[in-house]
Amino acid sequence: GENVEQHPSTLSVQEGDSAVIKCTYSDSASNYFPWYKQELGKGPQLIIDIRSNVGEKKDQRIAVTLNKTAKHFSLHITETQPEDSAVYFCAARGNLGGNQFYFGTGTSLTVIP
Amino acid sequence: GAGVSQSPSNKVTEKGKDVELRCDPISGHTALYWYRQRLGQGLEFLIYFQGNSAPDKSGLPSDRFSAERTGESVSTLTIQRTQQEDSAVYLCASTFQSRYFGAGTRLSVL
Repeated sequence: GENVEQHPSTLSVQEGDSAVIKCTYSDSASNYFPWYKQELGKGPQLIIDIRSNVGEKKDQRIAVTLNKTAKHFSLHITETQPEDSAVYFCAARGNLGGNQFYFGTGTSLTVIP
Repeated sequence: GAGVSQSPSNKVTEKGKDVELRCDPISGHTALYWYRQRLGQGLEFLIYFQGNSAPDKSGLPSDRFSAERTGESVSTLTIQRTQQEDSAVYLCASTFQSRYFGAGTRLSVL
């Protein structure tokens, strides 16, 4: 089955700097890659996603890139703000859809004011 | 409602007791998932419901765990004879293309 690895597990940045979180996956048939933000005491919330037919997607300060050949995808947050502090999860979905949805182990991001 | 609703938000129980956790998915979402999240860890898939199809129970860790779903609405996750290792946040998600999660139920087994 699919195996998703996420790095780093913790990340601290100064306010205004950029943050990058990376994930790799093992199943070349995976075709959908969402990113979730989980604030303390809350469930994960979808923040951005990318499909395998796209190399990059951007939404304001957040962008995701996908390298299908290398089987890795990354989340980029620019001009970080304290409210960006949270745990971020990547995920990969297999080509059969449905429940074949594999999560990374999470990155705890702290933005220092 | 506007999002996935879970209740209770917190549950403290004694070892050996049964607990029932509830999930109200987003209206119109036919797929529903339960996940377990242990402290500081990622999301562990438990069970998946899709419409009237037989649920995928492949993630349930033991026969003490079971889940039901009424049509395409409410789901309940039941843990019998709870153990301390069951302590975790249990998250429910419903799906339209991607997962939309509830806030979870934090279960503490003493």
